[in-house]
Amino acid sequence: SQKIEQNSEALNIQEGKTATLTCNYTNYSPAYLQWYRQDPGRGPVFLLLIRENEKEKRKERLKVTFDTTLKQSLFHITASQPADSATYLCALDRNAGNMLTFGGGTRLMVKP
Amino acid sequence: NAGVMQNPRHLVRRRGQEARLRCSPMKGHSHVYWYRQLPEEGLKFMVYLQKENIIDESGMPKERFSAEFPKEGPSILRIQQVVRGDSAAYFCASSPSGTGGYEQYFGPGTRLTVT
Repeated sequence: SQKIEQNSEALNIQEGKTATLTCNYTNYSPAYLQWYRQDPGRGPVFLLLIRENEKEKRKERLKVTFDTTLKQSLFHITASQPADSATYLCALDRNAGNMLTFGGGTRLMVKP
Repeated sequence: NAGVMQNPRHLVRRRGQEARLRCSPMKGHSHVYWYRQLPEEGLKFMVYLQKENIIDESGMPKERFSAEFPKEGPSILRIQQVVRGDSAAYFCASSPSGTGGYEQYFGPGTRLTVT
């Protein structure tokens, strides 16, 4: 069956370091992969989208890679700040439509 | 430019009652998605609607749950005869297109508590 896995354990890092979050999937051939941020009690907020024919995408301090051979995406936050503390969700499209299947999310804690 | 609006933000229902959750998409968006997030779990797709049409309801329980997106007015997710297991946060999202490659804009969610 189709599966999306994110590290369910919280990631604790020091301010200023680079945070790297992982999203692995099986039995999928997604055309797009998206990353969202979710703060407690709020709805997810879109961060980045990467297409299957793109290796890497950047936006300010954020970088996403997409390896369709490894079936993995990495999400990096450089020069992390306490304000980056949140849960980060990866999502894959279903059947190349816009319906999304989400991973369980990884909670990031950036300590000052 | 108002974002996706959901109401109520919090809803308490007793077992057996009906719950109605409303979602107004972003201006110009005609594609609406509903997701459910159980405590300590991820977001699960429930249903995808366009104006007056249900496009995909594969994630929605077959019984007691229904959704609509009428020509005028908000999208509504209806849960009949609620049970404790329905307690969750329900999020609505909208996008300008139903094809892949578009981000979704989420509302703040409705937190349903069944007592």
